Amino acid sequence: GENVEQHPSTLSVQEGDSAVIKCTYSDSASNYFPWYKQELGKGPQLIIDIRSNVGEKKDQRIAVTLNKTAKHFSLHITETQPEDSAVYFCAASINENNRLAFGKGNQVVVIP
Amino acid sequence: KAGVTQTPRYLIKTRGQQVTLSCSPISGHRSVSWYQQTPGQGLQFLFEYFSETQRNKGNFPGRFSGRQFSNSRSEMNVSTLELGDSALYLCASSLGRSGRASYEQYFGPGTRLTVT
Repeated sequence: GENVEQHPSTLSVQEGDSAVIKCTYSDSASNYFPWYKQELGKGPQLIIDIRSNVGEKKDQRIAVTLNKTAKHFSLHITETQPEDSAVYFCAASINENNRLAFGKGNQVVVIP
Repeated sequence: KAGVTQTPRYLIKTRGQQVTLSCSPISGHRSVSWYQQTPGQGLQFLFEYFSETQRNKGNFPGRFSGRQFSNSRSEMNVSTLELGDSALYLCASSLGRSGRASYEQYFGPGTRLTVT
């Protein structure tokens, strides 16, 4: 099955700086790549997603890039704010399958 | 529009018992997926239901089962509980049919199950 790897495990950034989280996936058939943010005591929240026919997508301070050849995708958060502190998960799924394979998650800490 | 709701939020059970968790999807969503979240294994897919039928299944033992009702609400059951079943159980709903938005899964707050 699909295997998604996510690095680094913990990322500390100064408020206002940018944060980048990278993920790799194993199955070239994967075509949907969502990112989730999980705060303590809550379920994962979908923050942005990208499909394999697109190389980049942006939504305000958040952007995701996809490199199908290298089988990796990244989340970029600009102008970080304290409320961006959370665990971020990348995921991948194949075709129209609703079975998401998740990375292990990154703890992002924004230092005021 | 109301989000995904899960009941109960917290549950404590003893080894050997069985447990049933409930999930109500977003109105109009017909697909419900279940995931187990643990510190060691992360988020792992259990199964997905669409139109009352199991459409996908993960690599969990047969003690884990589920069902979906005609109103799209779903339940999952774990029989003969083991200590290792202690986890946060999350359900996610999506439209489930072909189309641009069908892939998007929205998660509930989860049910925290502790097995003693």
